Amino acid sequence: EPEVTQTPSHQVTQMGQEVILRCVPISNHLYFYWYRQILGQKVEFLVSFYNNEISEKSEIFDDQFSVERPDGSNFTLKIRSTKLEDSAMYFCASSEAAGPQHFGDGTRLSIL
Amino acid sequence: EDQVTQSPEALRLQEGESSSLNCSYTVSGLRGLFWYRQDPGKGPEFLFTLYSAGEEKEKERLKATLTKKESFLHITAPKPEDSATYLCAVQAAGSNYKLTFGKGTLLTVNP
Repeated sequence: EPEVTQTPSHQVTQMGQEVILRCVPISNHLYFYWYRQILGQKVEFLVSFYNNEISEKSEIFDDQFSVERPDGSNFTLKIRSTKLEDSAMYFCASSEAAGPQHFGDGTRLSIL
Repeated sequence: EDQVTQSPEALRLQEGESSSLNCSYTVSGLRGLFWYRQDPGKGPEFLFTLYSAGEEKEKERLKATLTKKESFLHITAPKPEDSATYLCAVQAAGSNYKLTFGKGTLLTVNP
């Protein structure tokens, strides 16, 4: 069964450094998403992406964040200057449209 | 603002002891309600989508139902492998498909 894959599984970064999280969505999906889950809290929406542009973003997704689909298979989330409070699990998801979103197993981001 | 509240926060069952999880929601027009299962250290795994009040979906020991204000996930004769966190999420009509999640119910099934 097709699945969403994310790399790396764990990323440790110094505060203030840039980090790029990578995702390979399911191949025939057209809608892509990033969510995050801080330890012990709910899964929160960050951004949705369709047709090579952001279609919706949350208040969390400020100027420090950016997304890109650099080629036909990858979807990336960049955090320009990481803060301690960016420590969380980051999940990528994809969907055909309004149907169910399928999630990867996440990248655990630890900011020191 | 869309809101999802799940109860209970945690539920401990004996194997074979049936029960229900609740998801109450407020949303500005519901496009869909989604149930996911999340195992420790993993991403949410899709279970069901419900679109309109009165709809029901079943998969093995799980059945999801939907009313205009809440959804229930019924677990019949659970097994230890059903232990996980169960997440409910809503998708509002007019949104660009973002999901708003509840905090989840941690289900533990003891043998």
